[in-house]
Amino acid sequence: DAGVIQSPRHEVTEMGQEVTLRCKPISGHNSLFWYRQTMMRGLELLIYFNNNVPIDDSGMPEDRFSAKMPNASFSTLKIQPSEPRDSAVYFCASTIWDEKLFFGSGTQLSVL
Amino acid sequence: KQEVTQIPAALSVPEGENLVLNCSFTDSAIYNLQWFRQDPGKGLTSLLLIQSSQREQTSGRLNASLDKSSGRSTLYIAASQPGDSATYLCAVRPLNFNKFYFGSGTKLNVKP
Repeated sequence: DAGVIQSPRHEVTEMGQEVTLRCKPISGHNSLFWYRQTMMRGLELLIYFNNNVPIDDSGMPEDRFSAKMPNASFSTLKIQPSEPRDSAVYFCASTIWDEKLFFGSGTQLSVL
Repeated sequence: KQEVTQIPAALSVPEGENLVLNCSFTDSAIYNLQWFRQDPGKGLTSLLLIQSSQREQTSGRLNASLDKSSGRSTLYIAASQPGDSATYLCAVRPLNFNKFYFGSGTKLNVKP
């Protein structure tokens, strides 16, 4: 398996633009997590899905953030409109119960 | 709410030294605990997973122990090498929640 695949690796955009981050979990995994990492706040859980259903989105900063998982092999995290304070590394991770948590390589987002 | 603490935040040791990284958590009702490694600009890689019923796990030069009653885990690295330089994070998974609580990590520098 290729592991958790995220795209793009880097995204530079201007304030106010829409940003869409993509994630393909490991085949067979039924839980998917979106995290954000910054120097100041460390690793923060934004939202997670079980069997494609959002379970806990309490970490989503505000209504500008939304996440979807239309099927077991694809998820998106959207920011609209983006702001400079959204600049961070966004990670997607997947697992199945009892197993290790596998992370993607992350998307480095810079909002100018 | 589960809180995970890692001390020290940074550690510098000479090559060849054995070392211990610490992780403490506030709620002992955990399902499992994982240790991760993160290299600069990269995602997190799971090193060891300890189920709540286990006391330790070993992989090569790494040994992780778990003491649920005291809310502690340690990661022992034997004969450290410069290639071990990275940030090490621990994460606990509560009994009844499919989510992970991360510590802020220990940044390890192994000097040649």
